[in-house]
Amino acid sequence: AQKITQTQPGMFVQEKEAVTLDCTYDTSDPSYGLFWYKQPSSGEMIFLIYQGSYDQQNATEGRYSLNFQKARKSANLVISASQLGDSAMYFCAMRAYNNNDMRFGAGTRLTVKP
Amino acid sequence: DGGITQSPKYLFRKEGQNVTLSCEQNLNHDAMYWYRQDPGQGLRLIYYSQIVNDFQKGDIAEGYSVSREKKESFPLTVTSAQKNPTAFYLCASSIRIRGTGSQPQHFGDGTRLSIL
Repeated sequence: AQKITQTQPGMFVQEKEAVTLDCTYDTSDPSYGLFWYKQPSSGEMIFLIYQGSYDQQNATEGRYSLNFQKARKSANLVISASQLGDSAMYFCAMRAYNNNDMRFGAGTRLTVKP
Repeated sequence: DGGITQSPKYLFRKEGQNVTLSCEQNLNHDAMYWYRQDPGQGLRLIYYSQIVNDFQKGDIAEGYSVSREKKESFPLTVTSAQKNPTAFYLCASSIRIRGTGSQPQHFGDGTRLSIL
């Protein structure tokens, strides 16, 4: 069975600073993908970044980067130069390569302070 | 523009009533999903469908039913057997997974269901 753990219910960051949101996972599948989504207060889920289990380099997408440590089974999201619009819930998710079943963590609420 | 449309945005259910949430996509995706989100929590899978006329139960399928008669549509019915239906419901779609897991799921804007 797959399990995603996000241990930070809430995080605060000063505008323009960087912040790391933690995600650990547990799976017996050797091939899997890790995803991060942003959910603003309006409710829609916005895909941010993807990391494959066989990818040698950490994924980056603009101000988002993924600190992937396979041996520790962690996939932390790093947001650089935080903006007020980054305030939202952030979810880590995982799916095995041969499976349509995507598992989500409980989420972290990020608040960016001006 | 391509995307996923969920309707209605807000829905109220009376005791003993069945209600149906609509989900339509024009992304030409084979796979579609329904999730339930309770306040302050993550998403839990209700049902998913990989192709037309086929669907599988997720973790919390009891009290819900679905159909997949068309590729574009995956409606969710919340039946009277679901005793605690108040939640935020999200529909998603993706390319059907074939040996690689890189395809993200694309989500609709959600439907908020409440009991009257």
